[in-house]
Amino acid sequence: ETGVTQTPRHLVMGMTNKKSLKCEQHLGHNAMYWYKQSAKKPLELMFVYSLEERVENNSVPSRFSPECPNSSHLFLHLHTLQPEDSALYLCASSHQPTGGAGNTIYFGEGSWLTVV
Amino acid sequence: QKEVEQDPGPLSVPEGAIVSLNCTYSNSAFQYFMWYRQYSRKGPELLMYTYSSGNKEDGRFTAQVDKSSKYISLFIRDSQPSDSATYLCAMSPNYQLIWGAGTKLIIKP
Repeated sequence: ETGVTQTPRHLVMGMTNKKSLKCEQHLGHNAMYWYKQSAKKPLELMFVYSLEERVENNSVPSRFSPECPNSSHLFLHLHTLQPEDSALYLCASSHQPTGGAGNTIYFGEGSWLTVV
Repeated sequence: QKEVEQDPGPLSVPEGAIVSLNCTYSNSAFQYFMWYRQYSRKGPELLMYTYSSGNKEDGRFTAQVDKSSKYISLFIRDSQPSDSATYLCAMSPNYQLIWGAGTKLIIKP
């Protein structure tokens, strides 16, 4: 069991559906992230939150809407997605919202999303 | 040109072989270099990190950074089937991590 828990693990949704991905971290970290992982592509950073405040949004389409109600929980609300949005969505957390030494990023097991 | 280049593989080697995984990068400002391992259907986990140039060893794993060539490597000695996974390199100047695409490694018994 990891310190970062994601649900659901698998999700199939139609292009007109609305669904949400949930993430919870039990590590006492201040920063939480959403990443998108597609086959043979680098991890794409989508959103970064630091102490519940969004600090980075990497030009993500508005059909993805994050929510961070507290420093332990992170949601990704999904609506009117496209088939190309099918991917593994990874939640992660770290002490600080920065890269580099001493700030290891811990990942959840991911939510496999298929848009049909 | 991508900031970080990593051959996606797959790389298939027999058990016991020495494995060399590599990434090249273009930004000379990168100072922190990390290797993450991702097993199938799991999230990535930090394997090793190094700062600036040089080598770092941890058991069967050695991470090497050559800043003059903008090239980093991960060596695995006495490879085991349990090492079969995707290995992602990541690097940072000081804030955001830049990721490679990952190399899928298969160790054949």
